[in-house]
Amino acid sequence: ILNVEQSPQSLHVQEGDSTNFTCSFPSSNFYALHWYRWETAKSPEALFVMTLNGDEKKKGRISATLNTKEGYSYLYIKGSQPEDSATYLCASPDNYGQNFVFGPGTRLSVLP
Amino acid sequence: KAGVTQTPRYLIKTRGQQVTLSCSPISGHRSVSWYQQTPGQGLQFLFEYFSETQRNKGNFPGRFSGRQFSNSRSEMNVSTLELGDSALYLCASSQTRGINEQYFGPGTRLTVT
Repeated sequence: ILNVEQSPQSLHVQEGDSTNFTCSFPSSNFYALHWYRWETAKSPEALFVMTLNGDEKKKGRISATLNTKEGYSYLYIKGSQPEDSATYLCASPDNYGQNFVFGPGTRLSVLP
Repeated sequence: KAGVTQTPRYLIKTRGQQVTLSCSPISGHRSVSWYQQTPGQGLQFLFEYFSETQRNKGNFPGRFSGRQFSNSRSEMNVSTLELGDSALYLCASSQTRGINEQYFGPGTRLTVT
């Protein structure tokens, strides 16, 4: 079973700050990389699904990049807002879609 | 489009009992995956069903089982409950797991006493 890691474990930023987190995954047998946002008392919400090396995706103030050769993805949030406070999870299926593995998450707190 | 629904939302059971949780996916989605979330372990993959067949299974004991019906609704069963089974159980649906984003339900909070 592959190991998906995320850093940092938690992060506190001021409103308006830009921030980024890292997701690391094994580069061999890469299939796809997912990012999810999980707000307290809600369900995880899909942000991006990335499959190609060099992929860059954007949704509003949030963007993500993917490097499959070195096994990492970055999630960026520009101008953080309090409503961005959530746990950000990355996940990757191994072996062509088998066994979906989530990282432990990065917990972001945006202080007003 | 209606979202993923799960029932019940909360459940309290006693050790040794069994429990069945239900998940109705988004209309048109054929893949349903189940996850367990505990404070110490994070989100862990239980199993995935696609077109009524279990395609993948995570590293959980045989007490955890599931099935999927022809309308894609899925049930998860846990037999001989243990205290450590207390967790939030989430189901997620997608068109095809892996390259399609998953849509999560609100979860069932199971407490085993």
